[in-house]
Parts: sequence; structure tokens; C-alpha cells
Amino acid sequence: GAVVSQHPSWVICKSGTSVKIECRSLDFQATTMFWYRQFPKQSLMLMATSNEGSKATYEQGVEKDKFLINHASLTLSTLTVTSAHPEDSSFYICSAREAGVVFGPGTRLTVT
Amino acid sequence: AQSVTQLDSQVPVFEEAPVELRCNYSSSVSVYLFWYVQYPNQGLQLLLKYLSGSTLVKGINGFEAEFNKSQTSFHMRKPSVHISDTAEYFCAVSDQRNTPLVFGKGTRLSVIA
Repeated sequence: GAVVSQHPSWVICKSGTSVKIECRSLDFQATTMFWYRQFPKQSLMLMATSNEGSKATYEQGVEKDKFLINHASLTLSTLTVTSAHPEDSSFYICSAREAGVVFGPGTRLTVT
Repeated sequence: AQSVTQLDSQVPVFEEAPVELRCNYSSSVSVYLFWYVQYPNQGLQLLLKYLSGSTLVKGINGFEAEFNKSQTSFHMRKPSVHISDTAEYFCAVSDQRNTPLVFGKGTRLSVIA
């Protein structure tokens, strides 16, 4: 079946630094990927829609200059958290729709 | 925009007892409905989905759900739960195949020995 991978699975960074999270479709091409964020003991909230070859579409309240999304190829979308702060600590999950609904395993970000 | 309501934030149940996790969605012409399970510090695992056809959907781990269009519900049941079913369960909906899923707030199922 279709598989989506994320890298890294967990990352700890210092406040003020930037972190890049990769989302890859391993055996299919994904023209559209979605990025979600999940705070502890909460549900998944859609952050943005990533479209291959074009700008991402951000949900209301999500800072596009802070959460940079690049979808440069049909198998890779990246989310960069710029100037991370402790309140950005969260579980970030990507998904692709081309092969049904496939979610990546998630990336746990901790900002100290 | 679609929305999902999971009526119970927490459901405690004794081992081997039946359980029902409730989910209601906002009405739309067409809907695709999903149930996911999330164990602590892990990603989502798809339990079952309704895309079309039979309203009774059977999933993995003994779970099943019934799509009820008139009540805009997609409740999920399991006839006999195990300790290992303790987890967070999310209901999700989308109204088109290429749109993102909208998730409910989740239901914490706690199975008591």
C-alpha cells in the first residue's frame, strides 16, 4: 500500500533556531499534501495545503512566514519552522490524498 | 465547511464489555468518513472508512461503524474491548476526495481490567 514517511521522527531544538521536517510519498506521486499540527491531548488541526509547484495555502491563524512549506517535487514536501519558540512544540503530521488518505508517522518537535 | 463532533471526550469501559464511540458530522451532499486510533506518542492508524455503498463498515481490530445519513452520524462499536484498545480515537470527515480531513476532538477510550 501507499506509504508516507516523515523525517525526522523527533527533534529537539533551541529557541530561535529553524527546523525542517520532510514528508515523502514513497511509492506514489503526491501533487497535494496536507500538514497538520497536534498539541498534547488535542486533536489534529490543519495548518496548510501544500501543492506541488505552487504556493501553499495556509489556514486562518497560521503564520505563513513562520511555517514555510515547499513542495518542489511530486514526492517531497517540507515544512520549516523558522525561529522556533517553545509554543511551537507539537506533533506535526503530513498526509497525502492521491492514494486514498495516507498519513505520515508524525514528527515530534520540542523547542527548549 | 465540514465539522465533526465527538460527543464523548472520555469513555471508560470494563474489559470484555461492548463500547460505542459516537461521531456526528455536519451535513453535506457527499461525505467520506473515517475513524482513526492513536496510541500514546504514535501517529494515526486507520481503523475503518466509509466512502460509499453499504452503510455498515467493518474495520480492523474488531471495530465496525454505521453510516446514518438521516442522523448525520458515524458511530463506531466494538462488541468486546481489550486492555490494548486503550487509546485516543478520532473521527474525521471530508466532502471531496482531494480535500483535507477535518478531525473531531477525539475520544479517550480507557479499558479497565
